[in-house]
Amino acid sequence: NAGVTQTPKFQVLKTGQSMTLQCAQDMNHNSMYWYRQDPGMGLRLIYYSASEGTTDKGEVPNGYNVSRLNKREFSLRLESAAPSQTSVYFCASRLTSYEQYFGPGTRLTVT
Amino acid sequence: SQELEQSPQSLIVQEGKNLTINCTSSKTLYGLYWYKQKYGEGLIFLMMLQKGGEEKSHEKITAKLDEKKQQSSLHITASQPSHAGIYLCGAVPRMDSSYKLIFGSGTRLLVRP
Repeated sequence: NAGVTQTPKFQVLKTGQSMTLQCAQDMNHNSMYWYRQDPGMGLRLIYYSASEGTTDKGEVPNGYNVSRLNKREFSLRLESAAPSQTSVYFCASRLTSYEQYFGPGTRLTVT
Repeated sequence: SQELEQSPQSLIVQEGKNLTINCTSSKTLYGLYWYKQKYGEGLIFLMMLQKGGEEKSHEKITAKLDEKKQQSSLHITASQPSHAGIYLCGAVPRMDSSYKLIFGSGTRLLVRP
């Protein structure tokens, strides 16, 4: 099992560009999450998907969209990147137990 | 909204020393997670506590959840350089099926050989 995988690992964007962060899990988990981590602020939830076909906003959803393509994949899209979206993005997944498994993260810089 | 405060924000200890990291919630916790993050990497699950008074251990790391379920402590015994990293507490603020976590800002631990 690869667990939770994220692509790309690093990305540099210019203001106004768009991109999609990919996340996939091979653990047959129902729920998937997108967080961002900023210095001194811990992790904040952007969006989550309780099950295939459903998505809902978290604490900081503005400027992002998500797609739960199937049970395995949950993507995060930035339509028009802004410098405030410079961050490390983590995807996580969970089955029915409480533990959330995290991916290795994507470091995004918006100039 | 519920907030988690971790203390200290950073900690430098000599190898072999014991240390404690605290996580305090502004409201009742329905689940408290401890994660470790190595610098520049993802989060590694350490343990989860649910019941007031609960205590769990993994190798030299012990976590407790107080009776009122508003504070948790993480204790490392005889610290080693491999314990270095960022320790994050995460909490389930209410009982719903989404298990959306809120996180503290983290405690950076450095262990000097």
